[in-house]
Amino acid sequence: KAGVTQTPRYLIKTRGQQVTLSCSPISGHRSVSWYQQTPGQGLQFLFEYFSETQRNKGNFPGRFSGRQFSNSRSEMNVSTLELGDSALYLCASSTGTGVETQYFGPGTRLLVL
Amino acid sequence: QKEVEQNSGPLSVPEGAIASLNCTYSDRGSQSFFWYRQYSGKSPELIMSIYSNGDKEDGRFTAQLNKASQYVSLLIRDSQPSDSATYLCAADSGGGADGLTFGKGTHLIIQP
Repeated sequence: KAGVTQTPRYLIKTRGQQVTLSCSPISGHRSVSWYQQTPGQGLQFLFEYFSETQRNKGNFPGRFSGRQFSNSRSEMNVSTLELGDSALYLCASSTGTGVETQYFGPGTRLLVL
Repeated sequence: QKEVEQNSGPLSVPEGAIASLNCTYSDRGSQSFFWYRQYSGKSPELIMSIYSNGDKEDGRFTAQLNKASQYVSLLIRDSQPSDSATYLCAADSGGGADGLTFGKGTHLIIQP
């Protein structure tokens, strides 16, 4: 099976811009979770989508949003970028049923200037 | 607030020795626990998962869980230089609620 894919792998944006990141889960997986990883805060949960619905949400401002399509692919959007949004954004895929393992994609490294 | 605590290290271990990594968690409702390995500049890779008290072995890796003490550990036997990485401990409260809660990781260095 192909693994989790994320595009783009690298992005450079300026403050105030917006950005959209994409994640394709493992075939058959219906849950996609997004995480932000920074050196200071580590890995932090953003939100989870399952069957096109946001099922859970972490403690991030409303500038961070997402959606999921019928084929389980997910996008994450960050509006009005701030310098502090510079991070590695990871998506993780799972079947979405019960307690289970999440498999991470390679991540998108975002630099905000 | 749910927290997972790990010693950031670095933890330096001679090649061939046993590396012992530990974490504690605050949420007694946590049901499953995971160890991920992350090389610099890469994404986390699953090493082990454990759900029940006791030990779980997979090759050179052994995960240990003690729910009463809210303590999880990972032992790496016959450590190799390729094991040098950051090891992340994660806890899941069940059903995906709130996602995985990660510790900040322990940086492990295996000295040849």
